Amino acid sequence: DIQMTQSPSTLSASVGDRVTITCRASQSISSWLAWYQQKPGKAPKLLIYKASSLESGVPSRFSGSGSGTEFTLTISSLQPDDFATYYCQHNRTFGQGTKLEIK
Amino acid sequence: QVTLKESGPVLVKPTETLTLTCTVSGFSLSNARMGVSWIRQPPGKALEWLAHIFSNDEKSYSTSLKSRLAISKDTSKSQVVLTMTNMDPVDTATYYCARICSSTSCYNYWGQGTLVTVSS
Repeated sequence: DIQMTQSPSTLSASVGDRVTITCRASQSISSWLAWYQQKPGKAPKLLIYKASSLESGVPSRFSGSGSGTEFTLTISSLQPDDFATYYCQHNRTFGQGTKLEIK
Repeated sequence: QVTLKESGPVLVKPTETLTLTCTVSGFSLSNARMGVSWIRQPPGKALEWLAHIFSNDEKSYSTSLKSRLAISKDTSKSQVVLTMTNMDPVDTATYYCARICSSTSCYNYWGQGTLVTVSS
């Protein structure tokens, strides 16, 4: 199975910061990568699909890039609502998650 | 409006069989290439994919749990059912059902999740 590795595991940032989360695949997955946001006690929410396509209704401050084995999720200007855990996903495999905390 | 809702026991005993039902609305399980997955999340841990089923009855299971899982659907009831045998305390988790994106290998709609605790 393809392994998905996220970094960092935890990220401390402030409102207004630009942050980037990385996801690496153990082998090439073309652009078949999705990103999710999860808040405590809630189901994950799809943010980005096919590496860089923004899901309908998701704010434009979220963007995704990459192909092959390395991908990034960028939040251009952090808002209070963005502090959550973020997961990448390819097919049946999820990354281990990145918790975005308030600095 | 697409919705999914999980239902099932909140507490099961070790060695028992868990049966979870995902009731969907806003779409039909018979639509071409429509699929639903089950995904779980132990407390404080990451998401783990368990199984999926498509409208053509194509099924697939987690390699590590394959011997314990069975997935089925009842299109007339708009339900997808997951059974997991021989439950263990390590299976304590929130279980989600999610609709598979039409052609892009993602999950665009999720149920609220149901927490299942395995304890004697």
